[in-house]
Amino acid sequence: AQKITQTQPGMFVQEKEAVTLDCTYDTSDPSYGLFWYKQPSSGEMIFLIYQGSYDQQNATEGRYSLNFQKARKSANLVISASQLGDSAMYFCAMRESAGGFKTIFGAGTRLFVKA
Amino acid sequence: EPEVTQTPSHQVTQMGQEVILRCVPISNHLYFYWYRQILGQKVEFLVSFYNNEISEKSEIFDDQFSVERPDGSNFTLKIRSTKLEDSAMYFCASSAAGVLFFGSGTQLSVL
Repeated sequence: AQKITQTQPGMFVQEKEAVTLDCTYDTSDPSYGLFWYKQPSSGEMIFLIYQGSYDQQNATEGRYSLNFQKARKSANLVISASQLGDSAMYFCAMRESAGGFKTIFGAGTRLFVKA
Repeated sequence: EPEVTQTPSHQVTQMGQEVILRCVPISNHLYFYWYRQILGQKVEFLVSFYNNEISEKSEIFDDQFSVERPDGSNFTLKIRSTKLEDSAMYFCASSAAGVLFFGSGTQLSVL
């Protein structure tokens, strides 16, 4: 069964510094996708970045990068040059290719950016 | 930019009543989902829908829940007899090929 683990309930970072949010996963499917979503206090779910299991390079989207360590089954999100607007809940998610098309989410990490 | 639309944004109901939550997915998407989130905590999968049928459902999605795509644009979640523990934010999502795009959610309060 697929599983996503985020072990950091809360994280603090100083404005303009980089921060890494941890995510580990477990799956027996060789083909899967990994995602990060941001949920600000307003409640919407915002897609940030995607990594496919067969992608050779780590995904990047602007200030977001995904540190994909396949052997360790980790998919950490790195936010560079943190901004106050980055304060939010961040969810790691995974979708397996085998049947059902469902995406499951980790418990989330709440990020606080300090001025 | 196309988006997933959910109505209503808030729904208050009495325990035991039926509610229908409505969603309009992005028009060229083929996969549709319902998730729920209690008090800003974990986002829980309820059901996925593809090719006019349920492709997978979670343990939460019991006989009280049903989904329907009554026409080419709407996707609905029905809760037949609401319970207090059904109070949550319900998110609809759709995807074309993996990335989920979420609506802004319906906050359901069961009194």
